[in-house]
Order: sequence, then structure tokens, then C-alpha cells
Amino acid sequence: QVQLVQSGAEVKKPGASVKVSCKASGYTFTGYYIHWVRQAPGQGLEWMGRINPKSGGANYAQKFQGRVTMTRDTSISTAYMEVSSLRSDDTAVYYCATPTGDFPTWGQGTLVTVSS
Amino acid sequence: QSVLTQPPSVSGAPGQRVTISCTGSTSNIGAGYDVDWYQQIPGTAPKVLIYSNSDRPSGVPDRFSGSKSGTSASLAITGLQAEDEADYYCQSYDSTLSGWVFGGGTKVTVL
Repeated sequence: QVQLVQSGAEVKKPGASVKVSCKASGYTFTGYYIHWVRQAPGQGLEWMGRINPKSGGANYAQKFQGRVTMTRDTSISTAYMEVSSLRSDDTAVYYCATPTGDFPTWGQGTLVTVSS
Repeated sequence: QSVLTQPPSVSGAPGQRVTISCTGSTSNIGAGYDVDWYQQIPGTAPKVLIYSNSDRPSGVPDRFSGSKSGTSASLAITGLQAEDEADYYCQSYDSTLSGWVFGGGTKVTVL
């Protein structure tokens, strides 16, 4: 079955960077976009952007342009999302999701805590 | 400010019917893009409740139903149960933003 498994929780200091991974299985990795969504504590879901695993091309929500980079490694069916210049308001759970089949499959989420 | 607009909260007694609206625009729901609905229990990942406006994944009770008309969509829960207390989000695609858009979320409380 389609599955996305994300990397573990991270604690970072302000100004640092974090890179979250999302390993796909159960489908053709290069056939479907990988989207990234984040959820700050007590807040709603916020779309960050998506990457085309086949081409490597990505488009980002305007809010994250210049600070977020999405990449992939097709040899291991894994997508990555890196956030630079972390701030305290980047503290959130970060999810990857892919719209295979009838509806999207989501990863389990990765908590990123930004604290000095 | 979410692109899709949902009421912050709805409530109902056990057994009652509640509906959650999701209002978009001509660049997302009104452009014909499908709406999915998610249920989220705090601390867990969102779970698909309704996809393609009105379809239910296997395992989702038929107490949950979805519909779409014009620039809006709605989720109905009939026979409300205590276990339905959760946050609910609508999601679609927006052609102007070239990406997914979400509603701000609706908290359902069972009285």
C-alpha cells in the first residue's frame, strides 16, 4: 500500500536550517507530486509547496519563496524539504502528502521545534 | 487568512445533524476543482473523510457526506456521535496559486 514515512522530530535554534525527509513506498515515486503542508501549534493546515519527483521542479507558496527548498532523490524514493533561517514561528508539524489514487496519502508528520 | 472559508466551530447534541460550509472562489472550487474533507484528532495526521466532493474512502461511516455547488462545498454529519469531536478541514486546488488551498478548520463539539 502507498506509504510515506517521515524523519523524526527536530529541535533547532533560531537562524539554523532543518531538512525533513519523506520516504515513499508502494507506488511509482516519479509519477506523482509530493506536497508539503505545515501546522503550527493550535493552528490550521498551511500548504508550503510541491515538487515533481520526475523533473525535480518545485513551486512554492509565496510566503515560503526563498526560504524553503524542496528536493528529491529518486534512487531512494525520498523527498526532502529544507527550511532555512528558522524563526520561532516556524515551530510546527510538517507533513508530506502525495495524491496517488483517489485521495492523498499523508506522512505521519515531523515536529520541528525552534527554540533558543 | 485562509483561501477557503469555514466556520470556526459548530456544535450539536448526540444524534443531531450538523453541516460545515466551505466557501471558495472562481479560481478554486468554482473552477471545478474537487474538494476533499479531512478529520483531524489533535496530535494526529489529518485523515481523509470525503474525496472528490462526495466520495467516502472505505471504512468511513456513511454518516459523513459531502456536496459541492458553485464556489462552495459542505460536509454533513448525521447521527452525531461523541467520537466525531475533532477538527475538520476542506481542501481544494487553486489555479492562481498553483497549489493546494485549505479552509481554516472547523471544530465540531458534541454537546
